Amino acid sequence: KNQVEQSPQSLIILEGKNCTLQCNYTVSPFSNLRWYKQDTGRGPVSLTIMTFSENTKSNGRYTATLDADTKQSSLHITASQLSDSASYICVVSAKYGGSQGNLIFGKGTKLSVKP
Amino acid sequence: EAQVTQNPRYLITVTGKKLTVTCSQNMNHEYMSWYRQDPGLGLRQIYYSMNVEVTDKGDVPEGYKVSRKEKRNFPLILESPSPNQTSLYFCASSWGRGREVYEQYFGPGTRLTVT
Repeated sequence: KNQVEQSPQSLIILEGKNCTLQCNYTVSPFSNLRWYKQDTGRGPVSLTIMTFSENTKSNGRYTATLDADTKQSSLHITASQLSDSASYICVVSAKYGGSQGNLIFGKGTKLSVKP
Repeated sequence: EAQVTQNPRYLITVTGKKLTVTCSQNMNHEYMSWYRQDPGLGLRQIYYSMNVEVTDKGDVPEGYKVSRKEKRNFPLILESPSPNQTSLYFCASSWGRGREVYEQYFGPGTRLTVT
C-alpha cells in the first residue's frame, strides 16, 4: 500500500536554531516528492519538488534531500524564524495510478518556532 | 497575479441545504482538484479533473459532486450537506501531462460548518 509517514508529528524549537523534518514513503513506482509549507488556516505553498535523480534541492533557508534507495526525504530548516511556524507536508507522486498523479499526502509536521 | 480563488471563505449552513463552493484559477492549468483537510487526517482528495468535461473520483468522493464546464472553474457541490462534511476545503490547480501532475497551486481554503 502506498503510504507517506512524517516525523515528528510536532516540534518546538527556539528562533535561530536549525531543525530537520523526516518523510518516509513506500510509494512505487516513484515519480517525484514535494514539500509544502502550510500556515494555519491557509492553503499549502510549494517549497521544493524533487525527481528520482535529484538528491538535494534548496529554496532559501529550506533544503530538501532525497534518498530514493531508502525511500526517505528530509527537510532541513536553517536559522529558523518565527515565520517558519507552520505545518510542513510531504507529498509523493507515483508514476502511474488511478487518481491525479496518484498523489499521496503525509499528515504533516507542525513546527512552532518560539522567540 | 497568478492565483486560485475560492468562494465563500467561510460558510455555516444546516443539514440538507444544497450549497456550492466555487473555485477559479487564472493560470490556464489543465488539472484541478478538491481536497478536504481534517485534524489528524491530513489532506484527502475528493475529486479531480484533468481537463474540461473530464472529472474523476478521488479518495473521499461520497456526498460531493463537481463539474468542469470551463477550464478555469471547478465548483464543488454538496447536494445535501451533513455534519460529517464540516471541514476545511481546498481547491488546487496545476500543469500536467498524462497522469503526471506538476507543481500544485492551492486556493486559500473554505471553512465549512454544517449544523
